[in-house]
Amino acid sequence: GEDVEQSLFLSVREGDSSVINCTYTDSSSTYLYWYKQEPGAGLQLLTYIFSNMDMKQDQRLTVLLNKKDKHLSLRIADTQTGDSAIYFCAEETDSWGKLQFGAGTQVVVTP
Amino acid sequence: NAGVTQTPKFQVLKTGQSMTLQCAQDMNHNSMYWYRQDPGMGLRLIYYSASEGTTDKGEVPNGYNVSRLNKREFSLRLESAAPSQTSVYFCASRALAGGHDTQYFGPGTRLTVL
Repeated sequence: GEDVEQSLFLSVREGDSSVINCTYTDSSSTYLYWYKQEPGAGLQLLTYIFSNMDMKQDQRLTVLLNKKDKHLSLRIADTQTGDSAIYFCAEETDSWGKLQFGAGTQVVVTP
Repeated sequence: NAGVTQTPKFQVLKTGQSMTLQCAQDMNHNSMYWYRQDPGMGLRLIYYSASEGTTDKGEVPNGYNVSRLNKREFSLRLESAAPSQTSVYFCASRALAGGHDTQYFGPGTRLTVL
């Protein structure tokens, strides 16, 4: 079974903030990632956070990490229609770069 | 740079047929990976190659073989396709063989096995 869990669907109004949540189980994970997948396309790296950090901000994206609870979130400010996609949370499980992915959260942005 | 390229983009096979999915990267990356993506299950690692000349099994290797032909190319072979192998297959690469680096993904191959 999966070690990374995400809610499957999020609907958000254009201009509002989106928050996508993720929980993971491997406390030894060193890096956690957020990828974006648009329809019919591959995965695009959005951002990542090192496990000794609590927060990382990159333009409209804010990543929060609660290592005690093994909880990761991605906040997208001022959500746009172009943000409609599937968002995957992933943890790096070893130094060879193996990633464990969640099932993905489908984000739908409505006007 | 084209990044990570995959061929073909789409393929339909009959049960029992064989085929090879091709992947190439032009970023001089050391490590390459094959994943499959099924609805509601995220991506699962099939095989990976930490560096040229090495390959290792991932989470779901049964029914697949791989070849790291050279530093650029990493192919995935289905010897006898089964309907359970209907999926979208993604290849990825990253620069470092060990330590931290990010993975870059190809556009995917959509495979249907009838």
